[in-house]
Amino acid sequence: SSELTQPPSVSVSPGQTARITCSGDALSEKYTYWYQQKSGQAPVLVVSEDSKRPSGIPERFSGSSSGTLATLTVSGAQVDDEGDYYCFSTDSRGFHWLFGGGTKLTVL
Amino acid sequence: QLQLQESGPGLVKPAETLSLTCTVSGGSISSRSYYWGWIRQPPGKGLEWIGSVYYSGSTYYNPSNPSLKSRVTMSVDTSKNQFSLKLRSLTAADTAVYYCASRVSAVGGGGIDSWGQGSLVTVSS
Repeated sequence: SSELTQPPSVSVSPGQTARITCSGDALSEKYTYWYQQKSGQAPVLVVSEDSKRPSGIPERFSGSSSGTLATLTVSGAQVDDEGDYYCFSTDSRGFHWLFGGGTKLTVL
Repeated sequence: QLQLQESGPGLVKPAETLSLTCTVSGGSISSRSYYWGWIRQPPGKGLEWIGSVYYSGSTYYNPSNPSLKSRVTMSVDTSKNQFSLKLRSLTAADTAVYYCASRVSAVGGGGIDSWGQGSLVTVSS
């Protein structure tokens, strides 16, 4: 399968831990990347290669991956973390790009 | 860090062809380190990969959307450091923000490291 599946929404209170999952066969062979998108803006990378945090991304963002399941964790979520989160990977040959359907994170 | 900028019309008529260009700065489109791609996002919906092109001219289109794949052509212009998208036979369902992006070519499957700002394309008569 060349699909990535995410829950449509996740809701937490400020200070709680939010976990967003992404599942798909491709993830067992290829890295998972996570992007945050706020309204009207281009996506921003928050986790690369399953668990690496790019420069400038707060430490509360972390990622993990095992088999066909990847997880983005936002520890101590803040209101500013609200937005849509997309997982991304490629097919086994690395030619086709795969996006998850997106998860809307609400912090309130 | 690469910078990407989309250019093209904001309004096109049904049945016409959309032509978008992405200009790359801060690096060469002839680099073997990147794939150059187009992604779209209909209003209120998620991201959809349309396809990508390599510096050599090899193209890869999204097999999960056959009706889109059959209408798409992508190409690269190394002399202008640009790559382009043509989408034929437009309908209202093609109304979306169109992003150009660069993805790292890596064994483990590289991620998208640069995005254009996005170009809203509306299909309407």
